[in-house]
Amino acid sequence: AQSVTQPDIHITVSEGASLELRCNYSYGATPYLFWYVQSPGQGLQLLLKYFSGDTLVQGIKGFEAEFKRSQSSFNLRKPSVHWSDAAEYFCAVGARESSYKLIFGSGTRLLVRP
Amino acid sequence: GAVVSQHPSWVICKSGTSVKIECRSLDFQATTMFWYRQFPKQSLMLMATSNEGSKATYEQGVEKDKFLINHASLTLSTLTVTSAHPEDSSFYICSASTPSLPGELFFGEGSRLTVL
Repeated sequence: AQSVTQPDIHITVSEGASLELRCNYSYGATPYLFWYVQSPGQGLQLLLKYFSGDTLVQGIKGFEAEFKRSQSSFNLRKPSVHWSDAAEYFCAVGARESSYKLIFGSGTRLLVRP
Repeated sequence: GAVVSQHPSWVICKSGTSVKIECRSLDFQATTMFWYRQFPKQSLMLMATSNEGSKATYEQGVEKDKFLINHASLTLSTLTVTSAHPEDSSFYICSASTPSLPGELFFGEGSRLTVL
């Protein structure tokens, strides 16, 4: 069965500092991996996704993520955080074998210090 | 393209009543739709998977008689919360997929249900 772990419940960074949000997954085959962002009371916005190919994926808003099969990880990074990045971030895993249904991690809340 | 719309965005109902939430794919044919619920400050939990014209497949622990899912057309799925109670208050989000874009999921804006 698929599972996703986001070990950090909260992360606080200063505006302009770099950011890394951790995500580890468990799945036997090659997974489809996603990062979503959610502002309070809002729906989900897709930041980036990995299906195959280049393991470093570029997304919107200056985010990137790297798929590391050996570590079963798909960490999200941003070189310089903006105050508007404060939100909840979810990592998700899907697979063709399970009809692409997404299983979400527990989320990481990002707080940005001015 | 690939827009999914949910209606209503929010709804308040009395305990014991039933509430229907619609999920529509506006510009593509959604052969599969997924329904999630999200409690405050928590993650999204998959409730069920529905394929057009078939009965929904519910995740373990989700009451199928409580949460009725219908996917009668390629552009519409509905979730009906029957005999709603305050503990059913939650944020319900649908997502849709299409065979022409395997692996891609398109999410609705979510529907917030409050049961008094």
